Amino acid sequence: SQKIEQNSEALNIQEGKTATLTCNYTNYSPAYLQWYRQDPGRGPVFLLLIRENEKEKRKERLKVTFDTTLKQSLFHITASQPADSATYLCALFAGTALIFGKGTTLSVSS
Amino acid sequence: EAGVTQFPSHSVIEKGQTVTLRCDPISGHDNLYWYRRVMGKEIKFLLHFVKESKQDESGMPNNRFLAERTGGTYSTLKVQPAELEDSGVYFCASSQTKTGLSGNTIYFGEGSWLTVV
Repeated sequence: SQKIEQNSEALNIQEGKTATLTCNYTNYSPAYLQWYRQDPGRGPVFLLLIRENEKEKRKERLKVTFDTTLKQSLFHITASQPADSATYLCALFAGTALIFGKGTTLSVSS
Repeated sequence: EAGVTQFPSHSVIEKGQTVTLRCDPISGHDNLYWYRRVMGKEIKFLLHFVKESKQDESGMPNNRFLAERTGGTYSTLKVQPAELEDSGVYFCASSQTKTGLSGNTIYFGEGSWLTVV
């Protein structure tokens, strides 16, 4: 079955540094991959979508890459701020259903 | 514009009881989804409605779970009888067009936290 692994459950970095989160997937060839942010007690909020023919996508301080050969996506937050502290989820489509990773909890300290 | 609304936000029930969760999608969104996250696990798909029709219910755990969307507006998810392993957070989401085809955005509610004791 399709599986997504986000290889860090937790990531702690200092304010101003770049956070890099990794998402690996197996047994699937997704046309799209999405990243979500989830704050404690809240629902996931969509951040970025990247298509299989796109190597990189940017939105403000966020950057996502997608390597279909490695079956991997990297999510970068540059100039990180304490307000970026949250859980970040990687997800891909299987039909119309989203398959999520467990997420990486990012903590940015000032 | 109102987002996806879920009710109740928290519910504590005893094993064997019935609970009904409600979801009001964003107005105009024909596609409605239910997802669930149990402790320590990832968020998992339960089912997908297009208007009032079930398009995909492959993620429903068993026949104790019943989802409806009468009239193609709000949806309910009933768990009867509830078991301990049903505890978790149930998310509803909606989108204008069917996901996967164009990769469009889906919007999640804040979730209904269910605890079965």
